[in-house]
Amino acid sequence: SAVISQKPSRDICQRGTSLTIQCQVDSQVTMMFWYRQQPGQSLTLIATANQGSEATYESGFVIDKFPISRPNLTFSTLTVSNMSPEDSSIYLCSGSSGRSLPDTQYFGPGTRLTVL
Amino acid sequence: DAKTTQPTSMDCAEGRAANLPCNHSTISGNEYVYWYRQIHSQGPQYIIHGLKNNETNEMASLIITEDRKSSTLILPHATLRDTAVYYCIVRVYGSEKLVFGKGTKLTVNP
Repeated sequence: SAVISQKPSRDICQRGTSLTIQCQVDSQVTMMFWYRQQPGQSLTLIATANQGSEATYESGFVIDKFPISRPNLTFSTLTVSNMSPEDSSIYLCSGSSGRSLPDTQYFGPGTRLTVL
Repeated sequence: DAKTTQPTSMDCAEGRAANLPCNHSTISGNEYVYWYRQIHSQGPQYIIHGLKNNETNEMASLIITEDRKSSTLILPHATLRDTAVYYCIVRVYGSEKLVFGKGTKLTVNP
């Protein structure tokens, strides 16, 4: 299994600012994903982070608000831009190695974001 | 992906088996059943997955009915640390996406 870490683990930010969350995997993974978990809710997929190309966003999420980078097979970042209190959520990244079919997705511990 | 239905919450006594049901009556032949759990303030943890045969690993057993319209996750000897939200997810083979429903909140009581 892949071990995934995220930085920061939590942050408190002011509205109008931006925060970049980092996701590091201990081994190469073919697929990386970013999820949002709003308070008391389940996880919602934001986008698939594609290495070397633009991320693929789910309905309701746009690149201007959630720009994503994935420079290599073990690292990705998610930026939450121009934050408002509605962006207060836990943001999680996940990865799957592609070594088995069907593959298994492993999750990071999450970044708890509070926007004031 | 097929929709899943799970009870909102369940209780279980410590040391007893926890049986968590999931209904996926519209499942297709190429869709797998996955189970994850999320312990409070942590990321989801993979538990087990299956297609049509029963599966067992060090964490749990997965029983899938013959018609594949429902399944049961069994934690054979529940501990307090098994208190979590358990998600049953149906996933198309070849699709990497996981669609999380509301899950079942399992509380293991001493």
